[in-house]
Amino acid sequence: EDKVVQSPLSLVVHEGDTVTLNCSYEVTNFRSLLWYKQEKKAPTFLFMLTSSGIEKKSGRLSSILDKKELFSILNITATQTGDSAVYLCAVEADRGSTLGRLYFGRGTQLTVWP
Amino acid sequence: NAGVTQTPKFQVLKTGQSMTLQCAQDMNHEYMSWYRQDPGMGLRLIHYSVGAGITDQGEVPNGYNVSRSTTEDFPLRLLSAAPSQTSVYFCASSLTSPNTQYFGPGTRLTVL
Repeated sequence: EDKVVQSPLSLVVHEGDTVTLNCSYEVTNFRSLLWYKQEKKAPTFLFMLTSSGIEKKSGRLSSILDKKELFSILNITATQTGDSAVYLCAVEADRGSTLGRLYFGRGTQLTVWP
Repeated sequence: NAGVTQTPKFQVLKTGQSMTLQCAQDMNHEYMSWYRQDPGMGLRLIHYSVGAGITDQGEVPNGYNVSRSTTEDFPLRLLSAAPSQTSVYFCASSLTSPNTQYFGPGTRLTVL
């Protein structure tokens, strides 16, 4: 049973395009949602979101969380070939009195052609 | 700080062999975890630990054992390797909460 679902699974665009990656989730005791970028190696952290409606930005990347509808989007504007990677969404959930754990989606493979 | 280190980087095993994947961190992090990543899949949690002497199972614990005798080290043991355990394994650590994890470089394991 998937707790974190990302769409699309694969996306091919040309440089300069804007892309929107989606992440929906279903977990109890939600704590935070995280986005990672993975380029043939370990994931690197992009954003952590805990509150609805507050956009986080870093350069051409931005992300927002909707805790009512249980989803998040990651936007990348003016894409570059260096943006080609797998983008992973993860949700942190509490486990009662113990510390939380992360549930990952399958990722979106983004390919940016020059 | 060396961060999170994993050894070996690559390993080939035969079915039935045992081995230990090593993970160490020098950041005094309490929270450590092991994930596996298969093609087209995200990361799946195998085991995690919230401090020395405390471990718990993740989503896919079968076939793997862990222990946490020190804060720094969190080894993952495969007692009898199976081809289904062919995967890339990532270790991660964070101070207390998994939402600030640092990932190690990964170990690519092939079981023939």
